[in-house]
Amino acid sequence: SQQGEEDPQALSIQEGENATMNCSYKTSINNLQWYRQNSGRGLVHLILIRSNEREKHSGRLRVTLDTSKKSSSLLITASRAADTASYFCATVGLSGGSNYKLTFGKGTLLTVNP
Amino acid sequence: KAGVTQTPRYLIKTRGQQVTLSCSPISGHRSVSWYQQTPGQGLQFLFEYFSETQRNKGNFPGRFSGRQFSNSRSEMNVSTLELGDSALYLCASSPNTGTSGEKLFFGSGTQLSVL
Repeated sequence: SQQGEEDPQALSIQEGENATMNCSYKTSINNLQWYRQNSGRGLVHLILIRSNEREKHSGRLRVTLDTSKKSSSLLITASRAADTASYFCATVGLSGGSNYKLTFGKGTLLTVNP
Repeated sequence: KAGVTQTPRYLIKTRGQQVTLSCSPISGHRSVSWYQQTPGQGLQFLFEYFSETQRNKGNFPGRFSGRQFSNSRSEMNVSTLELGDSALYLCASSPNTGTSGEKLFFGSGTQLSVL
């Protein structure tokens, strides 16, 4: 399976600290995406990194991708209480023929304490 | 633009019944995907539709089915409900076919409880 696996499963930090979440996967990918989900709600897309990219930034988010190690990391700098949510990586690869499919990991629950 | 709209937000059914969930994608989006989310299994892909055709399917039994209409709205149906079908069902849309693995825009989901 090309499903991503996030690590750690849960992370608790203080406001202002940085949070790092990791994602590992097993097969080749077209791109990798990170999403955030607030409790019981839909997912919100954060950032997409393509297989030929190594690093990408968006505001306080920094994503790295190492295709040789089949891993990615999401760094949230200067965290805020509002960053409290579950974070999912989604790997995108071929799923029969020319169709791509997003496959999600089980997520990291991030708690930012005020 | 309005976001992805899913109805109903909550649903309670009993075992053996069937249920239909509805999803209206963002205007102009032609691809609709469905996911099931449970605490134990996480997010699992059900199927994807584009231009009224199912383009991709996950590993779910035939009790789970879907369709897409000409206006891109989509419905999914679960027949003969089982307790294990209790989950948050999420719909997501994207502008194109999904063949390039573009980002998805999610609705708030339908929370289904099977008693």
